[in-house]
Amino acid sequence: EPEVTQTPSHQVTQMGQEVILRCVPISNHLYFYWYRQILGQKVEFLVSFYNNEISEKSEIFDDQFSVERPDGSNFTLKIRSTKLEDSAMYFCASSKDRGRAFFGQGTRLTVV
Amino acid sequence: DQQVKQNSPSLSVQEGRISILNCDYTNSMFDYFLWYKKYPAEGPTFLISISSIKDKNEDGRFTVFLNKSAKHLSLHIVPSQPGDSAVYFCAGFQNSGGSNYKLTFGKGTLLTVNP
Repeated sequence: EPEVTQTPSHQVTQMGQEVILRCVPISNHLYFYWYRQILGQKVEFLVSFYNNEISEKSEIFDDQFSVERPDGSNFTLKIRSTKLEDSAMYFCASSKDRGRAFFGQGTRLTVV
Repeated sequence: DQQVKQNSPSLSVQEGRISILNCDYTNSMFDYFLWYKKYPAEGPTFLISISSIKDKNEDGRFTVFLNKSAKHLSLHIVPSQPGDSAVYFCAGFQNSGGSNYKLTFGKGTLLTVNP
């Protein structure tokens, strides 16, 4: 079964540094998402992306965050200046039709 | 604003018995509800969904029931197996038009099935 792949599986970064989380969505999917889960909390929506632009973003997705689909296959999430509270599991997801999103394995981001 | 609530953080059942996971929601505009299962160190995996115009959907051992008047849905797993032990997330989806299909998740319920 096709799957969403994310790299790296674990990223440790110093506070204030930039990080880029990478995702390869399922090839025939058109809608792309980033979610995150802080340890012990619920999975939270960050941003959705369609047709090379953001279609919706949450309050969490402030100016420090950006997304890009640079080459038609990768989908990246950039955090410009990481904060301690950005430490979380970040999940990329993609979907072809309504609702049913397929999730990647996640990237554990640890900001120290 | 908790649009989707899973009030039981954990549930423990014996193998072979029924597991019932509950979910309440406040957003009456949700079009679909989905259940995802999540193992540690993995992403959520889709389990089963139900349209807001239905009251039941069944897939093998998994059945989801929707009570719109009570804004409540439940996932039944019968018979429960040890491999079902995972965190189960309830999610709502609202087609607000355009190109956004975001999911709103509950906090999850940790199901433990004891052999």
